[in-house]
This record gives sequence, C-alpha cells and structure tokens, in this order.
Amino acid sequence: DGGITQSPKYLFRKEGQNVTLSCEQNLNHDAMYWYRQDPGQGLRLIYYSQIVNDFQKGDIAEGYSVSREKKESFPLTVTSAQKNPTAFYLCASSIGSGQGETQYFGPGTRLLVL
Amino acid sequence: GNSVTQMEGPVTLSEEAFLTINCTYTATGYPSLFWYVQYPGEGLQLLLKATKADDKGSNKGFEATYRKETTSFHLEKGSVQVSDSAVYFCALSDPSGGSYIPTFGRGTSLIVHP
Repeated sequence: DGGITQSPKYLFRKEGQNVTLSCEQNLNHDAMYWYRQDPGQGLRLIYYSQIVNDFQKGDIAEGYSVSREKKESFPLTVTSAQKNPTAFYLCASSIGSGQGETQYFGPGTRLLVL
Repeated sequence: GNSVTQMEGPVTLSEEAFLTINCTYTATGYPSLFWYVQYPGEGLQLLLKATKADDKGSNKGFEATYRKETTSFHLEKGSVQVSDSAVYFCALSDPSGGSYIPTFGRGTSLIVHP
C-alpha cells in the first residue's frame, strides 16, 4: 500500500541536542512538507520542497533544517537553536504544487524534551 | 493574506444529532477549499473538498458547500456517530495570495457521546 511513514512515533531530546525526524513516501509525489502542530494552534508550516534538491522556508523555519536528496525522503532536523521544540510534527506530500492539490499526511512524530 | 476562521470547540453532541461546524475564509483570489479530519494520535486525512463556487463536496455522510457570497464552507452531517469523534480542520489554497500551500484553520474538536 502506498503512503507516508514517519519515525519514530515518539522522540525525546536532551538540552543542546540535535534530533532528526524521518519522513518517507512511496506515492511518487513531487512535493513534501513539514508542519508543526501545537494544541489549539492548528498547523504551522516549517519547510516545504517542490522538487528534489530544492526546498523553501515556511512560516516557522528558525531552529529547523531539512534536506531533499531523494524524491521519497524529506528528513527534518530539530536543532539546539529551537528553544521550544515540544510539539507534534506532521509530514505531508502532494502530487504537485498546484491549487487544489490534496495533501497526504503521515501519522506524526511527537517530540518531547527531557 | 489568506486566513481561515473556524468555530471554537469542543463541539459535544449525542449520537444521531445533526452537526454543523462553521468555517469562513479570507482570500485574495478564488481559492480551493478543504475539510481535513484528524483522529486521535494520527495525521490528517482529506474528508472533502470543493474547487469553485457553489460546488458541494461530500464524503462519508459529510457535506460542505462553497459559498462565495458569504465566504463560507460549513461542514454538516445529518446524523453523527461516536466514530466521528475527531478534530476537523478547514483549509484553503489560493495561489494569488502568494503561495499554493494550504492555510489551515485552528481545528474544531468534535466529541460524540453514545
């Protein structure tokens, strides 16, 4: 079955540590996205990528980094510069970059700070 | 810029009650409109969408009509079930606002009691 996988389901970060969240899709989609979800705040866009080897900052990119070396993979690194990383992180993909495109979401990773 | 406003939750209903979740939007051009649903501990999934004025999206007994004159896309269901308990997100995509990436509302939690 095609879909998006995210791992791990739960991730714990210590002070000053960088952590990487995995996102893989086998839908052959060109575009991929990372969102952060906090209670009562909806989804906020961190980074997105429309094509391999290219990505753009979203609304809250500070303290995060991404790479897009393969079409199916879009890992997110939460760096030590992100002072409030506790949140639910959602990865999504879409066929292309046009209006009206449906986004397909992974199951999410919950990041907690020790 | 683009924005989406949803009614605050939680909305609490008894099984078989009628559901309405209000959604209004602000957009520069002619957006596509979406409802996504998030079940506990999961990612979002598309529930329905409409791409032009007066279109009605429908799925699993849920409906929403794109009303350009009132800039609204209210979600309705005639008879809710306990399994409909989830968080519902209204979203729009309008490239004339600068980006095709969807703008999400804050989400409305629905709790259905037996």
